Amino acid sequence: GNSVTQMEGPVTLSEEAFLTINCTYTATGYPSLFWYVQYPGEGLQLLLKATKADDKGSNKGFEATYRKETTSFHLEKGSVQVSDSAVYFCALRGGSNYKLTFGKGTLLTVNP
Amino acid sequence: EADIYQTPRYLVIGTGKKITLECSQTMGHDKMYWYQQDPGMELHLIHYSYGVNSTEKGDLSSESTVSRIRTEHFPLTLESARPSHTSQYLCASENGETQYFGPGTRLLVL
Repeated sequence: GNSVTQMEGPVTLSEEAFLTINCTYTATGYPSLFWYVQYPGEGLQLLLKATKADDKGSNKGFEATYRKETTSFHLEKGSVQVSDSAVYFCALRGGSNYKLTFGKGTLLTVNP
Repeated sequence: EADIYQTPRYLVIGTGKKITLECSQTMGHDKMYWYQQDPGMELHLIHYSYGVNSTEKGDLSSESTVSRIRTEHFPLTLESARPSHTSQYLCASENGETQYFGPGTRLLVL
């Protein structure tokens, strides 16, 4: 079945540091890949997505590239801000399975 | 921007009480979902619906039940709440491949 493994947190960075949150997946066929973000006290919201190999999703300075050869979709940002403090979830939807499969989430804290 | 609403946002109740968590969306989405989020942040799918009169159990066994009588409404009911039901419950609806989440209901059962 489908599965997502993402970097365990928590991750603590200083403002303007470089961020990488690793995500690898197992799926049959050609899944679509997603990063969702959950700010404190809120539900999840879509951050970015990629639907085929070598696609790059980007939003709000965050980027992730769909790497089929390494089954990865790592999230990166060149310079984080305090406002980026949140929980980040990697997810996939594969084949005929309409349900999203989520990773366990990574808590990011950015200090001023 | 999607509009999906959950009420109440916070609920503290005693053991044995019956509760209903409300979820409504105004986008006309057919697919809707309920997730339980534990304190460690992990999400567990407990129910989903692909349209009116369609409901299915999710990956995590749950004592809750759901109904889908109208497209916009997907309530979750616990007939007899127990402390083990203490959690955050997130509702979502889906358009194409994107899920839109409500703000969640944080439930505490004493």
